[in-house]
Amino acid sequence: GAVVSQHPSWVICKSGTSVKIECRSLDFQATTMFWYRQFPKQSLMLMATSNEGSKATYEQGVEKDKFLINHASLTLSTLTVTSAHPEDSSFYICSARFGNEQFFGPGTRLTVL
Amino acid sequence: AQSVAQPEDQVNVAEGNPLTVKCTYSVSGNPYLFWYVQYPNRGLQFLLKYITGDNLVKGSYGFEAEFNKSQTSFHLKKPSALVSDSALYFCASRGNTGFQKLVFGTGTRLLVSP
Repeated sequence: GAVVSQHPSWVICKSGTSVKIECRSLDFQATTMFWYRQFPKQSLMLMATSNEGSKATYEQGVEKDKFLINHASLTLSTLTVTSAHPEDSSFYICSARFGNEQFFGPGTRLTVL
Repeated sequence: AQSVAQPEDQVNVAEGNPLTVKCTYSVSGNPYLFWYVQYPNRGLQFLLKYITGDNLVKGSYGFEAEFNKSQTSFHLKKPSALVSDSALYFCASRGNTGFQKLVFGTGTRLLVSP
């Protein structure tokens, strides 16, 4: 099956710094990738949809200047959490579209001190 | 707007017993329905999906789900639970026109006791 990877799997950073999370589709090209955020014991919240070569579409309430998404190639999308604060601590999951399916990455746990 | 409901926060079952994790949906038209499983600190793993055809869908790890249009339900089932099935289960739906966003339920934690 299609494989989606994320890097890093976990990251700890100081408040005020920026953190970049990579999402790669390893064996297929993904024209569309999705970024989700999951709080403890809660469901996945879609943050944004990114299409290769164009600007991401953010869901209502998600700050686009805070969560920068770049989908520069058909196999790579990045999420940068800028000026991270403790409330940004969460589990971030990416997903890539392949045909009519979505495949999920293993997630990245971000902890902001 | 489409929505998915998982009425149980947690389901407890003894190993070897059958399990059911409930899901109901509200989607206009004929929905695409999915079940995913999530283990601690991991992403979502696909279990099964309903697109069209037989109402009983068989998926990974011995799981199956039954699509019931009249009750707008898509309950996940397994005849004999394993301790290793303990995880968080998400039901999701998507509209069937174009490629629409997945809408997730709130998740149900399954706890299988030895």
